[in-house]
Amino acid sequence: QTVVTQEPSLSVSPGGTVTLTCGLSSGSVSASYLPSWYQQTPGQAPRTLMYSTKTRSSGVPDRFSGSILGNKAALTITGAQADDECDYYCVLYMGSGSWVFGGGTKLAVL
Amino acid sequence: EVQLVESGGGLVQPGGSLRLSCAASGFTFATYSMNWVRQAPGKGLEWVSYIDTRSSTTYYADSVRGRFTISRDNAKNSLYLQMNSLRDEDTAIYYCARSYSSSTKTFDYWGQGTLVTVSS
Repeated sequence: QTVVTQEPSLSVSPGGTVTLTCGLSSGSVSASYLPSWYQQTPGQAPRTLMYSTKTRSSGVPDRFSGSILGNKAALTITGAQADDECDYYCVLYMGSGSWVFGGGTKLAVL
Repeated sequence: EVQLVESGGGLVQPGGSLRLSCAASGFTFATYSMNWVRQAPGKGLEWVSYIDTRSSTTYYADSVRGRFTISRDNAKNSLYLQMNSLRDEDTAIYYCARSYSSSTKTFDYWGQGTLVTVSS
């Protein structure tokens, strides 16, 4: 069974830069997996940040960027702000009508 | 403004059934594929099911295949999830989510979710 991996938790200083990654338990993530990223604050529905690796969703500030780094998809936040502190999820399209989410990264800004 | 409003959640015993609904507004519902995504309490997101615009193609996660059925009524701008043979592990908030496009395979708009609790 395919497992999508994310860092369980990360921290960043206000104004700093942090990179969250999205990998596979076996194999490499490429753009063909069409990685997307979602942001979720407690008690709220997810908000779409990024899709097709590096396309920002409407209204998402350009301090959020997406890429493929090595064998993983990556979400980089530059100039971190206090309200960036929440959970982040990636999802990969595995083909044949199947999507698999990563376990999520809890980001602390401190 | 795109709005997705789920309903139909509640408490159900193991082995029971429940039907969730998602009312869509603010966009042409019939031209978008739709999904259900769930989140168990304190856990991550899990994709559950997909349906295309004409209901001709449906997909399911292995964990629900054979027990859940996704459907839609374009005339009523509504998405449904019929859940049978419910198990404790189906307890979750269920979100309906719109597919942005067939080429991007992303979910662009999400509802606020409806809570399903499976417990005796």
